[in-house]
Amino acid sequence: DIQMTQSPSSLSAAVGDRVTITCRASQSISTYLNWYQQKPGKAPKLLIYDASTLYTGVPSRFSGSGSGIDFTLTISSLQPEDFASYYCQQSDNTPVTFGQGTKVEI
Amino acid sequence: QVQLVESGGGVVQPGRSLRLSCGASGFTFNKYGIHWVRQAPGKGLEWVALIWYDGSKKYYADSVKGRFTISRDNSKNTLSLQMNSLGAEDTAVYYCARESQQWGVTFFDYWGQGALVTVSS
Repeated sequence: DIQMTQSPSSLSAAVGDRVTITCRASQSISTYLNWYQQKPGKAPKLLIYDASTLYTGVPSRFSGSGSGIDFTLTISSLQPEDFASYYCQQSDNTPVTFGQGTKVEI
Repeated sequence: QVQLVESGGGVVQPGRSLRLSCGASGFTFNKYGIHWVRQAPGKGLEWVALIWYDGSKKYYADSVKGRFTISRDNSKNTLSLQMNSLGAEDTAVYYCARESQQWGVTFFDYWGQGALVTVSS
């Protein structure tokens, strides 16, 4: 199975900050990498697929980059509604696997 | 609009069985693969199972293989997860999620609200 390692596991930030979350795969996955946002008690929501493609309706302050092994999710200017947990997920191989998550807190 | 609604969660004793259902609406159900993903309390997301759009192929996480069975009824737009020999480690919120594809990349674009399964004596 492909292991996905996110860092950091949590971070504290303020409204307006630029936030970067990284995700590393245990082997090359090309750009088969997706990012999800999850708020407490809610289902995850798709933010980015194919490493850098913004999903419909997702604000442009979110962006993704990377290929192969290393990937990044960036929030250019953190908004109050962005305080949540973020997960990367590889879809190169079955089983799909998720990173352990990054909690973005105030 | 696309909707996935899980049902069947609850409290079950260790070693017993439980069946979850996922009802789908707002899209052509028989054209999409559907997954189950779970999340233990305070933990991250764990993929559980996948069934192809036509039910012809099924895949399972090692942690549930031999105990869980995924199935679907395309005539009723429903997905099921039969869970047997449940243990405390299966306590989680279970989500059904639709798999979509673009340029060969698959992703989960719609999720249900989740069904809580608690395994406890």
